[in-house]
Amino acid sequence: DAKTTQPPSMDCAEGRAANLPCNHSTISGNEYVYWYRQIHSQGPQYIIHGLKNNETNEMASLIITEDRKSSTLILPHATLRDTAVYYCIVRVEAVLLQGSARQLTFGSGTQLTVLP
Amino acid sequence: EAQVTQNPRYLITVTGKKLTVTCSQNMNHEYMSWYRQDPGLGLRQIYYSMNVEVTDKGDVPEGYKVSRKEKRNFPLILESPSPNQTSLYFCASRKQGVYGYTFGSGTRLTVV
Repeated sequence: DAKTTQPPSMDCAEGRAANLPCNHSTISGNEYVYWYRQIHSQGPQYIIHGLKNNETNEMASLIITEDRKSSTLILPHATLRDTAVYYCIVRVEAVLLQGSARQLTFGSGTQLTVLP
Repeated sequence: EAQVTQNPRYLITVTGKKLTVTCSQNMNHEYMSWYRQDPGLGLRQIYYSMNVEVTDKGDVPEGYKVSRKEKRNFPLILESPSPNQTSLYFCASRKQGVYGYTFGSGTRLTVV
């Protein structure tokens, strides 16, 4: 799995968009970008994933650059409850293969603090 | 409610006393996994299971055992706990064909 680099911490004002960057310059063509978050000592929570197209769901948007070497997770209207550590993970996703066993490798992540 | 349930949430035990941390999911997920989380080391996988009776080692399996006799349950067994197994443990599950994992709320284990 490709290595990812994230800033260790970021602040964001409540109600504003939070843009969390992730560099994955060694990503290969069949690797997906995943984002999870972990609110203090709770279990990690899946947010979104993508391969090369931008993705949006009810939680966030994921913007992947055309060369796929970096991506940005966008929380459009951050709230205090979005304060968490955000993990960017790159991995091959063999979801459709029987017996796929590759598991998640979490790095250090970005501590996002949403300020009132 | 669809969830992964771990028990207990908190446990303090003594060195060498066998213990089991239970994990149960009600979503009919094929894949289940155990992680431990330690300061500065992030989340590390202990064991995983692709389905009933199919388990394999993760990155840090030493000192742990697992079993998958039923699809919904994936207990983590510490036969002889040691202080270096003091950690925050998470169980996670995923359905084949679905991308995101669902994590339990965690078990904070202290071995003295």
